[in-house]
Amino acid sequence: DAKTTQPPSMDCAEGRAANLPCNHSTISGNEYVYWYRQIHSQGPQYIIHGLKNNETNEMASLIITEDRKSSTLILPHATLRDTAVYYCIVRVSGNTGKLIFGQGTTLQVKP
Amino acid sequence: DTEVTQTPKHLVMGMTNKKSLKCEQHMGHRAMYWYKQKAKKPPELMFVYSYEKLSINESVPSRFSPECPNSSLLNLHLHALQPEDSALYLCASSHIGTGGIEAFFGQGTRLTVV
Repeated sequence: DAKTTQPPSMDCAEGRAANLPCNHSTISGNEYVYWYRQIHSQGPQYIIHGLKNNETNEMASLIITEDRKSSTLILPHATLRDTAVYYCIVRVSGNTGKLIFGQGTTLQVKP
Repeated sequence: DTEVTQTPKHLVMGMTNKKSLKCEQHMGHRAMYWYKQKAKKPPELMFVYSYEKLSINESVPSRFSPECPNSSLLNLHLHALQPEDSALYLCASSHIGTGGIEAFFGQGTRLTVV
């Protein structure tokens, strides 16, 4: 299973863009990159996923490098409610949908 | 309806008790999961059900017994637990396939074993 590496913590000023990096150098060709976040004591929340191309939705943008060995989640205008643990996950190949969580990045958005 | 409902939200049980956690979804998902999360740690996968059959058991002790009575329900039966089993238990569901598929998580059951 491909593993991910994320910085343990990051700070971001409210209203500014938050850029969360993730390394997944052993990713295989058919594995997707997923991002989830978990606000304190709640269940994880899906944010976005991608395979090769950059993706954008109402919550965030996902930038995947051409070699697919790393990616960046961008929250364009961070708010205090975006303070959470952000998990970058590489989905195991196959049809189980199994998601293995790494250690994640704790993002603190400050006023 | 994009909700995964877990009950109860909180549970306190003694080491000799038998209790069950319940998870329900009505999104037509045919994969359902149990995760365990200790404080300040990421969720750890315990079990995966595909089409109501147990497909993955991540070497979980037998005092945890999962059950999937139908495509909408997932139970986790608990018996003779230890205090170190105290944790947040999360249920999730998703469609099954090889493409990009998001999983939906419930809010969890906070379990305390005394």
